[in-house]
This record gives sequence, structure tokens and C-alpha cells, in this order.
Amino acid sequence: DAGVTQTPRHEVAEKGQTIILKCEPVSGHNDLFWYRQTKIQGLELLSYFRSKSLMEDGGAFKDRFKAEMLNSSFSTLKIQPTEPKDSAVYLCASSLAWEIEQYFGPGTRLTVL
Amino acid sequence: GDSVTQTEGPVTVSESESLIINCTYSATSIAYPNLFWYVRYPGEGLQLLLKVITAGQKGSSRGFEATYNKETTSFHLQKASVQESDSAVYYCALDLIASSSFSKLVFGQGTSLSVVP
Repeated sequence: DAGVTQTPRHEVAEKGQTIILKCEPVSGHNDLFWYRQTKIQGLELLSYFRSKSLMEDGGAFKDRFKAEMLNSSFSTLKIQPTEPKDSAVYLCASSLAWEIEQYFGPGTRLTVL
Repeated sequence: GDSVTQTEGPVTVSESESLIINCTYSATSIAYPNLFWYVRYPGEGLQLLLKVITAGQKGSSRGFEATYNKETTSFHLQKASVQESDSAVYYCALDLIASSSFSKLVFGQGTSLSVVP
């Protein structure tokens, strides 16, 4: 089975641009998570979907970050407008609703200049 | 609140030496969280190393082990003899299984480990 897929693997953006990160969860998984990983903050949860419904939108990230799950096999994370402090690795993860373990994608490394 | 604190990295250890990465947690929304160690090898995605869901039990994988200590709220990761291939970033995490029946992971900061010859 294919694991969690994320594209692109690397993204470089100018400050103020709009970028869209993509994620395909493990087939059949109902839960999908977006995390941001930085050296200072570690891993932070941005969004959580269960069966395509948004369960958590990450509070502090609301104003410029928007995650959507267009169907059960595809999700996007839009950052608009980008700021240099958004430079980080963005991880997508999925799990079955009744399982504990999350399966993570390889991440997208975003650099905002 | 719910939080996880780990040994601050980077940690450098010589091959064949023993290793311990400390992890302590605070779980206010759940009495007995499930505990995990995740690992991220260079160039790869984050993957589960081991998990323990019962207080007092020990989990083990790839020579690593960790014991769920409810009294000290700790879940330290140990290995008797490390190898260069163990160089990675290690994340301790707890799973908040809320009453609404979904789970959410809370991660520690991560500990970067370098094993040198």
C-alpha cells in the first residue's frame, strides 16, 4: 500500500505569495492531520479532519492558514500570504478512525524569503 | 495543560555506547495517555518507533526500549549499544483520547541524535 504522499517536497516562496501544499492520505484512512515542524517549536498541529469534516483548525494559525479536504483522498494546505516565519517543514499524517497510530508523509520543506 | 518535554538536543554519542533520551509528560485532560516514541531518519518521514498504552509496561523495538512510568510521568527511551544508523531525530508523544472518541498526538520538541564512530 502507498503511504502518505505530499507534494511538493520543497517549496521556495517570496514573502506575500500564496502557496498550496498537497497531501494524499493512506487509502481508507478517515483522519487527516497537518503539522508544522520547526526547530524552535517542534511539531505543532495545524488542522485535523475526520471523514472530511474539520475537527480542529489550529487556533493561532487561523488567519493565514487554511486546510481543506476536497475528498477523502486529497487535502490541501493554503498559506496566504506567506511570511518568512512560515519557513518550516509541513507534515501531513493520516490514520484510521479507530486506530491510534498516525502515518506520516515525508513532509514539504517551505522556505519563505 | 497537556505537554511533553524531552532531552534537549543535539545529543552526540559514540558507537557502542549506551543512550538515554528523557521524556516527561503532563496530561491534564486524560488520566492514562498512550505514549509513543517516533523517529525521523535523515531524508525520511516520521515513523513510529514504539508505543505503550498500559502504565507499568515496557515497549521495545530495534533495540530501543521505554517504560511507561505513571508515578514519575516519564517515558525515557534507552538503548544499551547505539549504532551509527541510529542517528536521527526522536520525538516523544502522548495521545489524548478525548471523550468525543478522536485521538490527537502531542509531541515533544524532538531530540537530534548523532552517533559517531
